[in-house]
Amino acid sequence: EAQVTQNPRYLITVTGKKLTVTCSQNMNHEYMSWYRQDPGLGLRQIYYSMNVEVTDKGDVPEGYKVSRKEKRNFPLILESPSPNQTSLYFCASSQGDRERETQYFGPGTRLLVL
Amino acid sequence: AQSVTQLDSHVSVSEGTPVLLRCNYSSSYSPSLFWYVQHPNKGLQLLLKYTSAATLVKGINGFEAEFKKSETSFHLTKPSAHMSDAAEYFCVVRDSGGYQKVTFGTGTKLQVIP
Repeated sequence: EAQVTQNPRYLITVTGKKLTVTCSQNMNHEYMSWYRQDPGLGLRQIYYSMNVEVTDKGDVPEGYKVSRKEKRNFPLILESPSPNQTSLYFCASSQGDRERETQYFGPGTRLLVL
Repeated sequence: AQSVTQLDSHVSVSEGTPVLLRCNYSSSYSPSLFWYVQHPNKGLQLLLKYTSAATLVKGINGFEAEFKKSETSFHLTKPSAHMSDAAEYFCVVRDSGGYQKVTFGTGTKLQVIP
């Protein structure tokens, strides 16, 4: 089954404690992306990656890091989480060309930073 | 630069009446446009997408949208609302030039009254 998986699905942590949210896709997609969703703001793109070792900033990259060492994985790293990073996070992937660019979304990771 | 404006944050309709969710966009390049739906506490599901072919796009669950370049609009419609349509809807733009950058609208919550 084609899918994007995220782990963990729920996470409570404290300010300053480094964490990683993993994202994996089994569709051999080139393009992957991270979003955060906050009430009234929709989804905002944090980082995206067009292929292995190719990443770029989205609209709200501050406080986040990503890496793309393998095509299937795109982890999101919070080196020093702060309460304003409490949010719902979605990972997505797509093939990358215009006609097949439907993004497939993971189930979301709900993060609470105390 | 690209942007998306969803003109209504909340829309309320009676079951069996038409649905209209409005979306305007701006884009420096020929855009791809999408509508996604998110049911409460669920992930995102693609309803339909416009890439470069027919301007009237049909999606799942009876939804459709028309790309109007002159009006920079991509409104979502459905002839007859069903209770199961109650959800939040997001209009999304993706520049073909800035290719991988994706911008979501802030969302429209659709309420369906029995």
